[in-house]
Amino acid sequence: EAGVAQSPRYKIIEKRQSVAFWCNPISGHATLYWYQQILGQGPKLLIQFQNNGVVDDSQLPKDRFSAERLKGVDSTLKIQPAKLEDSAVYLCASSPKYQGEPAYEQYFGPGTRLTVT
Amino acid sequence: AQKVTQAQTEISVVEKEDVTLDCVYETRDTTYYLFWYKQPPSGELVFLIRRNSFDEQNEISGRYSWNFQKSTSSFNFTITASQVVDSAVYFCALSEADGGSQGNLIFGKGTKLSVKP
Repeated sequence: EAGVAQSPRYKIIEKRQSVAFWCNPISGHATLYWYQQILGQGPKLLIQFQNNGVVDDSQLPKDRFSAERLKGVDSTLKIQPAKLEDSAVYLCASSPKYQGEPAYEQYFGPGTRLTVT
Repeated sequence: AQKVTQAQTEISVVEKEDVTLDCVYETRDTTYYLFWYKQPPSGELVFLIRRNSFDEQNEISGRYSWNFQKSTSSFNFTITASQVVDSAVYFCALSEADGGSQGNLIFGKGTKLSVKP
């Protein structure tokens, strides 16, 4: 079974530029998550999708971050414009969990390391 | 508010030593789930275990064992006879089953384990 795929693996941009990350979850997984992991810290949830709907985006900085999962499969996370503090690893995870069911384990992709200069 | 504390920032041991990684959590929910993830230098988070709040039985999987104690809100992880391949950052995480954000993982800051030959 293929794991969670993410691209690109690395990205370097200048502040105020825009960037987009792509994630393809494990086949059949209804729930998709984007996390931000700053160096030396644990991952922090940015947004959770169930199928193509947003379940939780309370920690997403909506003035600059956006995410979509149009067909309920793969997803894109965008930052526009980027700031220096956005330098982090962006992790995508998927889970077979459905709303109302107990929490299942999440399976993570390799992440995209973003450096904003 | 939910919180996960991993007080040990870094631990260094010599191969074949036993090592315990501490995890203390805070939650007001009666139903919740605890997880451990391993993050090797490659960066991908690897799921190790999930435990629900109603099951306080300790679990053993090969050289890994977990001690869940609700009385002290702790979910500690022990590696017996450590090996160099165990070197990684280990994260403890909490997920609450009640409320709107079901399944979201709240991570601790991680413990970096270095196993030297």
